[in-house]
Amino acid sequence: AQSVSQHNHHVILSEAASLELGCNYSYGGTVNLFWYVQYPGQHLQLLLKYFSGDPLVKGIKGFEAEFIKSKFSFNLRKPSVQWSDTAEYFCAVNAMNSGYSTLTFGKGTMLLVSP
Amino acid sequence: DAGVTQSPTHLIKTRGQQVTLRCSPKSGHDTVSWYQQALGQGPQFIFQYYEEEERQRGNFPDRFSGHQFPNYSSELNVNALLLGDSALYLCASTDEGNTDTQYFGPGTRLTVL
Repeated sequence: AQSVSQHNHHVILSEAASLELGCNYSYGGTVNLFWYVQYPGQHLQLLLKYFSGDPLVKGIKGFEAEFIKSKFSFNLRKPSVQWSDTAEYFCAVNAMNSGYSTLTFGKGTMLLVSP
Repeated sequence: DAGVTQSPTHLIKTRGQQVTLRCSPKSGHDTVSWYQQALGQGPQFIFQYYEEEERQRGNFPDRFSGHQFPNYSSELNVNALLLGDSALYLCASTDEGNTDTQYFGPGTRLTVL
């Protein structure tokens, strides 16, 4: 069975600081990788996803993530965060062996951006 | 284009009771998955419904059951509620022909006293 590990449970940054949230997964086969975001009081929204091809994927709101297969990692980055990026971020993996789209999530990282 | 909707928004039950949560998938979607998100945790997969049948299940006891209707909407039932069942229950839908991305509803907050 696959599992996902997110390195930090809480991150506090000032506006304009750079962001990198770590995500590692354990699964030996082919995976699809996702980052979801949950803004306060809102539902989970897809930030970006990786299926194949270019390992550097760009998502909404200036976020990007890099898939490094040898490290089983899919870290999320943003060069300059804004106060509105305050939210909880979840990394998720879908193992492709089942043929079905079900997600295994990490525990999440709560990001607080101070103005 | 309506997204995934869930009802009710909040629910309070006592131990031993039974609860039913409802989900309507995004327009055009035929596959519904349910997740449990305990406080401070990521969502955990409960089960997935397609063509009115449960086709995949996570590590949850059979107190958790579900149903999918011909219009693709779905119910999650939990029997003999425990305090530990208190959580946000999320419904997600996807299109069987395009299973790459799941769209989530706002969730139902269940509190068991």
